[in-house]
Amino acid sequence: AQKITQTQPGMFVQEKEAVTLDCTYDTSDPSYGLFWYKQPSSGEMIFLIYQGSYDQQNATEGRYSLNFQKARKSANLVISASQLGDSAMYFCASPWGSQGNLIFGKGTKLSVKP
Amino acid sequence: EAGVTQSPTHLIKTRGQQATLRCSPISGHTSVYWYQQALGLGLQFLLWYDEGEERNRGNFPPRFSGRQFPNYSSELNVNALELEDSALYLCASSRRGDRNTEAFFGQGTRLTVV
Repeated sequence: AQKITQTQPGMFVQEKEAVTLDCTYDTSDPSYGLFWYKQPSSGEMIFLIYQGSYDQQNATEGRYSLNFQKARKSANLVISASQLGDSAMYFCASPWGSQGNLIFGKGTKLSVKP
Repeated sequence: EAGVTQSPTHLIKTRGQQATLRCSPISGHTSVYWYQQALGLGLQFLLWYDEGEERNRGNFPPRFSGRQFPNYSSELNVNALELEDSALYLCASSRRGDRNTEAFFGQGTRLTVV
C-alpha cells in the first residue's frame, strides 16, 4: 500500500538558518508526484512545492527546495534562511495510486526561534 | 481570483445531529476533495468529487456523504454525529485530468460535537 512517512514530529531551527524536513514514500507506481504543504495555526493548507518522479532536476520555489533521491525514495524539503513566519506544520503528500486524492504524512511541526 | 472557500468556519453540533459543510472551489476547477483532520491524526481522505460524481472514497462509514453541484461546489454531510467526528474538515480543489496537479485548500470548517 502507498505510504508517506515523516519521521520528525517536531523540529527547531534558529532564525536565518536552513532546515531540512524529511519525507520518505513507498509506492509501486512508476509515475508519481510529491507535494509539500504548510499548515499555519490558522488551519489552511498552503501549497509549497511539487516534484515529479520523472523531473530531471530537484524542484525549487523561492526559499523552498526539494532534495529528491529517487533510489532512496525520499523527498526532503529544505527551507533556507528560516523566518519566524515559517513556524507551522509541514506535510508531505502524494497522489493515491491512480486517484486524484492525496495521502499525507503525519507532518512535522517546525518552530523557528528568534 | 478567489480561492477555495468553506462555510461555516465553525460549527457546533450535538451528538446524533446532522452537520452540513459547504465548499466552493476555485473557478475552473472541477475536482473537489474532502479531508478530515482530527487532533493528532493527520489528514485523512474522505471523498473526491469530479464533474458531479463521486470518484473515490476513503475509509469512512456511510454516514459521511456528500455531493457536487453543477457549478462544482460541494457539500459534505455527516449524519448521526459522534463525539469523535470533532475535527477540522478541509476542502481542496484542483483541475481534473492530471493527478499530479496541486490541490488548493480552503481554510477549513472546525466541527465540534458535544
